[in-house]
Amino acid sequence: SQKIEQNSEALNIQEGKTATLTCNYTNYSPAYLQWYRQDPGRGPVFLLLIRENEKEKRKERLKVTFDTTLKQSLFHITASQPADSATYLCALPGGSTLGRLYFGRGTQLTVWP
Amino acid sequence: DGGITQSPKYLFRKEGQNVTLSCEQNLNHDAMYWYRQDPGQGLRLIYYSQIVNDFQKGDIAEGYSVSREKKESFPLTVTSAQKNPTAFYLCASSPTSGSSYEQYFGPGTRLTVT
Repeated sequence: SQKIEQNSEALNIQEGKTATLTCNYTNYSPAYLQWYRQDPGRGPVFLLLIRENEKEKRKERLKVTFDTTLKQSLFHITASQPADSATYLCALPGGSTLGRLYFGRGTQLTVWP
Repeated sequence: DGGITQSPKYLFRKEGQNVTLSCEQNLNHDAMYWYRQDPGQGLRLIYYSQIVNDFQKGDIAEGYSVSREKKESFPLTVTSAQKNPTAFYLCASSPTSGSSYEQYFGPGTRLTVT
């Protein structure tokens, strides 16, 4: 079965720096990959989707890359701010069921002033 | 105001009691999902439904039941057969047409069973 790993449980960086989060997967060739943000005690919020034929996608200070050879996606937040502190989840489509997603455990990002 | 609502936000029950969690959406999405989230764990899929009057088991369906009588509603019942029901429960919906399939989540219900 497919396995999704996010690089570490927690990442602490200083305000203004670039945060880089990693999502690795195995036994799988997904057509796309999604990233979500989750604040404590709340539901995840969709951020970005990148397709297998796209190398990079940007949205404001966010950048996602997708390397289907390495089976890896990198999620970057540039000029990070304390308000970016949250848990970030990657998700991949599952099997033959349209719309079903498998989620990684998430990486908790803390941006300190 | 479009979105997904879950109620209640906090729920307390005694062991051995069934409890039903509510999930309503007005996004006109065909697909709806129930996840469970435990500390340090990712989201685990309990049940999902792609169309009214049809639903499928996810990865951890044992001890849970659902119904999908209306497009807008997908209630989850946590039965007394669920061995560890205390968790954060999240409902989500997504379109099944188009190609993005991003999921929209509700605010969650935190269930505590003692």
